[in-house]
Amino acid sequence: ETGVTQSPTHLIKTRGQQVTLRCSSQSGHNTVSWYQQALGQGPQFIFQYYREEENGRGNFPPRFSGLQFPNYSSELNVNALELDDSALYLCASSSVHNEQFFGPGTRLTVL
Amino acid sequence: AQSVTQLGSHVSVSEGALVLLRCNYSSSVPPYLFWYVQYPNQGLQLLLKYTTGATLVKGINGFEAEFKKSETSFHLTKPSAHMSDAAEYFCAVSSPRDQKVTFGTGTKLQVIP
Repeated sequence: ETGVTQSPTHLIKTRGQQVTLRCSSQSGHNTVSWYQQALGQGPQFIFQYYREEENGRGNFPPRFSGLQFPNYSSELNVNALELDDSALYLCASSSVHNEQFFGPGTRLTVL
Repeated sequence: AQSVTQLGSHVSVSEGALVLLRCNYSSSVPPYLFWYVQYPNQGLQLLLKYTTGATLVKGINGFEAEFKKSETSFHLTKPSAHMSDAAEYFCAVSSPRDQKVTFGTGTKLQVIP
């Protein structure tokens, strides 16, 4: 059984640029959630995708968008990057009872 | 709306001592409760979860937690700390109605030899 994988591991961008982060869900999971974890904070829910449709969104602006593909992998896109977008971005795929299995994360630095 | 409060952003214990990490939650519906551990530069690993049934939940690495509805608490304990337990621990809440999982701000556990 393959766990949740994310790419890239690290990324450096400048303000105003756009970024795409990728996530492959755990085998058999059809739900993917994305979280932003700023330094010293707990993960903050960005949004969730279930069977290719957005299924809930946290308090993030529209420049944060996502996709889920037929194989249940997912992308997180962030436009017009700001310095405060620097964080660890975590992807999680879900089993029953909302149990989330997390990937190792992508560390985004915005300069 | 749901929320989680973790009391103490840093906790230090001696190796072999009891570990107690506190978590209180707020939820308008019966909650699902989780504890996750995060090692530096890694993702989160599930330690244990409560959904329904038995209120004392046993997890991996010797950790357990007890759901106390009257106190809205879900404290994490381990009888004897190991050096390898040093990490950051997150309490989280969700519900059957809401796929969103809300995390606390985390507690960093330091284990002193």
